[in-house]
Amino acid sequence: AQSVSQHNHHVILSEAASLELGCNYSYGGTVNLFWYVQYPGQHLQLLLKYFSGDPLVKGIKGFEAEFIKSKFSFNLRKPSVQWSDTAEYFCAVNPPDGGGADGLTFGKGTHLIIQP
Amino acid sequence: ETGVTQSPTHLIKTRGQQVTLRCSSQSGHNTVSWYQQALGQGPQFIFQYYREEENGRGNFPPRFSGLQFPNYSSELNVNALELDDSALYLCASSLVVNTEAFFGQGTRLTVV
Repeated sequence: AQSVSQHNHHVILSEAASLELGCNYSYGGTVNLFWYVQYPGQHLQLLLKYFSGDPLVKGIKGFEAEFIKSKFSFNLRKPSVQWSDTAEYFCAVNPPDGGGADGLTFGKGTHLIIQP
Repeated sequence: ETGVTQSPTHLIKTRGQQVTLRCSSQSGHNTVSWYQQALGQGPQFIFQYYREEENGRGNFPPRFSGLQFPNYSSELNVNALELDDSALYLCASSLVVNTEAFFGQGTRLTVV
C-alpha cells in the first residue's frame, strides 16, 4: 500500500513570500499525483494533478508542482503568496492501474497561514 | 461548486446507533468514493463504488457499508457507532475510476 508524507504541518508566511510545500510518497509503481486545497469552510478543491508527461505541472491560482521520480516527491510551489492562499493543503496519490482498490491516499495536510 | 452534494451537513448520534449519510454525484460521474477525515488528519479512503458495485475498500470494518443507486447517488451506512467514528465524512465522484475526484462539502458526524 502507498503512503504520503507532508513535511510541514504548519507554515506561516508573509504576503509576497515564496512557498514550497513538500510531499513524498512511497509506492513502487506508477502513480497519479494530486494537490488539493481546502479553504476555511469550503470543500476540497483540486489545485493540480500529474498523470504523465512533463513533470512540471501548473495548476490554478498560480500554483505549480514538480514530480521528481527519483526522489518520490511532488512538491507544491508558488512564487508569491497572497492572504487568500490561507488554507489546508493536501497531497494525494493513487495508482492508475489499481482498479480503485486503494482510492486516494492523502497526506496529513499542511496548514498554511498567510499574514498580511 | 463541484456539483457533489451531501446530506445532512451535521449530525449527532449516540454510541451504538446506526447512521446513513447521502451523496449526490456530479452529473455524468459513475464512480463515487467515501472518505473519513478525522480532526487534524487527511481524508482516509473508506470504499469506492463503480456502476453500483463496490470495487475497492480501505482499512475499515464491515460495519461501514455503502450503496450506489442507478442514478449514481450513494449512501454510506455505519452501524454500531463508536466515539472514534466522529469525523467529517466526504463523498467524491469521478468521471472515470482513478482520475480526478470532485468532493462534496462533507457531513460532520459527532458520536456522543
